[in-house]
Amino acid sequence: DAGITQSPRHKVTETGTPVTLRCHQTENHRYMYWYRQDPGHGLRLIHYSYGVKDTDKGEVSDGYSVSRSKTEDFLLTLESATSSQTSVYFCATDGGASNQPQHFGDGTRLSIL
Amino acid sequence: GNSVTQMEGPVTLSEEAFLTINCTYTATGYPSLFWYVQYPGEGLQLLLKATKADDKGSNKGFEATYRKETTSFHLEKGSVQVSDSAVYFCALRMDSSYKLIFGSGTRLLVRP
Repeated sequence: DAGITQSPRHKVTETGTPVTLRCHQTENHRYMYWYRQDPGHGLRLIHYSYGVKDTDKGEVSDGYSVSRSKTEDFLLTLESATSSQTSVYFCATDGGASNQPQHFGDGTRLSIL
Repeated sequence: GNSVTQMEGPVTLSEEAFLTINCTYTATGYPSLFWYVQYPGEGLQLLLKATKADDKGSNKGFEATYRKETTSFHLEKGSVQVSDSAVYFCALRMDSSYKLIFGSGTRLLVRP
């Protein structure tokens, strides 16, 4: 596939702690995305990036921040995790053309107790 | 706004049965349409796509036709296998947009 690696794959942490999830791609894609997947909601976009240091909010961005200092890496940070942020998080990438698909990583399962 | 509606699951079928998963969309314009599949513990994989009206996407025995008149993109397969058990997502993407809009997903369970 598009060579997308997410880390960690699983994490359990406590409410109020900071959490950072990493997405690494080897395809030199310009666009990168963070989604969360929850039952009954499909995938919802948290933040996306259209280049190094260029990011913007998606539909469920509250409580999350992102950074992209290199083309290949896109970090998602929960500054102070809450139980409502328990979810499966997916990173995706693409070259930016609207008729082309996005390529997904295998996800990070995050549990906040 | 733009949206995708999928049939509620789970859909339970016997092996070799015919599969239809309904997907309809609402869009202000002419989107590209996608079906993704998610196997347990994995990310989403592109199954097929169609980028304009009357296009038919196909892959691994699955097919879907872009119907502008009914704003639909139903997924079909003539004979399902146990290995097709997964969650299927319909999605759209508008021209010149970064955003991929997903339906809520339909779980398919195929019994031997």
